[in-house]
Amino acid sequence: GNSVTQMEGPVTLSEEAFLTINCTYTATGYPSLFWYVQYPGEGLQLLLKATKADDKGSNKGFEATYRKETTSFHLEKGSVQVSDSAVYFCALSGSGGYNKLIFGAGTRLAVHP
Amino acid sequence: DGGITQSPKYLFRKEGQNVTLSCEQNLNHDAMYWYRQDPGQGLRLIYYSQIVNDFQKGDIAEGYSVSREKKESFPLTVTSAQKNPTAFYLCASSRPPGQGAYEQYFGPGTRLTVT
Repeated sequence: GNSVTQMEGPVTLSEEAFLTINCTYTATGYPSLFWYVQYPGEGLQLLLKATKADDKGSNKGFEATYRKETTSFHLEKGSVQVSDSAVYFCALSGSGGYNKLIFGAGTRLAVHP
Repeated sequence: DGGITQSPKYLFRKEGQNVTLSCEQNLNHDAMYWYRQDPGQGLRLIYYSQIVNDFQKGDIAEGYSVSREKKESFPLTVTSAQKNPTAFYLCASSRPPGQGAYEQYFGPGTRLTVT
């Protein structure tokens, strides 16, 4: 079945460092891919998405490219801020005619001044 | 502003009591979902509903029940049969298949503590 694997956290960085959070997936067909962010004590917010191979999603300085050949959707940001500290979830759309999402386990990012 | 509201934000119950978590959306979405999140873990799907008066079990439905009498509302009842009910509960909604890239929109969550 479909699945998502994320790199384990926590990821600890200094402010202005480069960020990569790895995400790989297993899926049949052509799923859409998403990154969600969760700040402490809150719900999930959609950060970016990509709906087909080679699409690049971007938002708030974050980027991720849908790589079908490597089944990956790695999240990157060139210069992180303390305010980026959160848990990041990679997800893909499932199958079955409804909008079921399959989530990775999440990666906690801590950014220090 | 359109969005999803969940109430209350914090809920405390004694073991053996049923408790109902509220979820309301004004996004005009057909589909709604309930997830459970435990500390340091990802989201697990409890129930989902694609349309009014219809819902299906997710991956961990045992000990939970739902209803979908109105498009805007999808309450979740945590019954006394749920063995480990203490968790963070998230409600979400989405457009029907074919009307978007299947992204889901989430509420702020309800943290349930059962002692």
